Amino acid sequence: GQQVMQIPQYQHVQEGEDFTTYCNSSTTLSNIQWYKQRPGGHPVFLIQLVKSGEVKKQKRLTFQFGEAKKNSSLHITATQTTDVGTYFCAGPGGTYKYIFGTGTRLKVLA
Amino acid sequence: DTEVTQTPKHLVMGMTNKKSLKCEQHMGHRAMYWYKQKAKKPPELMFVYSYEKLSINESVPSRFSPECPNSSLLNLHLHALQPEDSALYLCASSHPGLAGGPLRYEQYFGPGTRLTVT
Repeated sequence: GQQVMQIPQYQHVQEGEDFTTYCNSSTTLSNIQWYKQRPGGHPVFLIQLVKSGEVKKQKRLTFQFGEAKKNSSLHITATQTTDVGTYFCAGPGGTYKYIFGTGTRLKVLA
Repeated sequence: DTEVTQTPKHLVMGMTNKKSLKCEQHMGHRAMYWYKQKAKKPPELMFVYSYEKLSINESVPSRFSPECPNSSLLNLHLHALQPEDSALYLCASSHPGLAGGPLRYEQYFGPGTRLTVT
C-alpha cells in the first residue's frame, strides 16, 4: 500500500540552528500538506503544496514540493523554542483519505 | 469559528464499559474523521463521514461504532475495548472535496480524547 516516510525521525538542534525534514511518498501525490503537533497537542495545518516544484514560505519556514511530486521538504531557519513539536507531512491516499507521514520530532535546546 | 471541540478530554474505562466520544464543529464542513494516535506515531485513520454517510471504515474492530447524527456532530461509541485501544482519539473535519477526486482541503483537528482502557 501507499507509504509516506519522513526523515529524520528525531532531530535535536541548538536554538538558532536550521532544521530540515524530508518527506518521501511511494506514489505520486496530487498535493501534499504539512502539519505541526506540539507536545500534548493536536495536529495543526501549516500549508498545502499542489504544483510540481512549488516553494512556499511562511516567515522562517520554507516548504518545497519535488518536481516528481513524490517528495517534499520543510526547512526552518534559525529555530526557536516555539518550533518544538512533531512535523507531519500528509498526502492523499484516496477519496476523503490522507496518509500521514511517519513524522519528525524536533527538539530545540535553548 | 475554526474550532473543533471534543469531549471528554480524558476517559478511563474498564473493558466491560460502554462509553461515547463526542466531536462538534460549526465550520460547515461536510467531511468528518476519526483518527487514533498512539504515542510517537502519526494519526491513523479510522472512519470518514462525508455528507453524514460513512464513506471509509479502515477495517476498524466492531467494538468501535461511529455515528454522525447531523452535519455538525460526530460520535464514537466504545464497547468492550481492550487495553491496546488506549490512545489519543482525534476528530477532524474538512470540506469533502469533489467526489472521487483527491482531497485538497486542510483538516481541522480537535484537541482529542485521551483514552485509557484498564
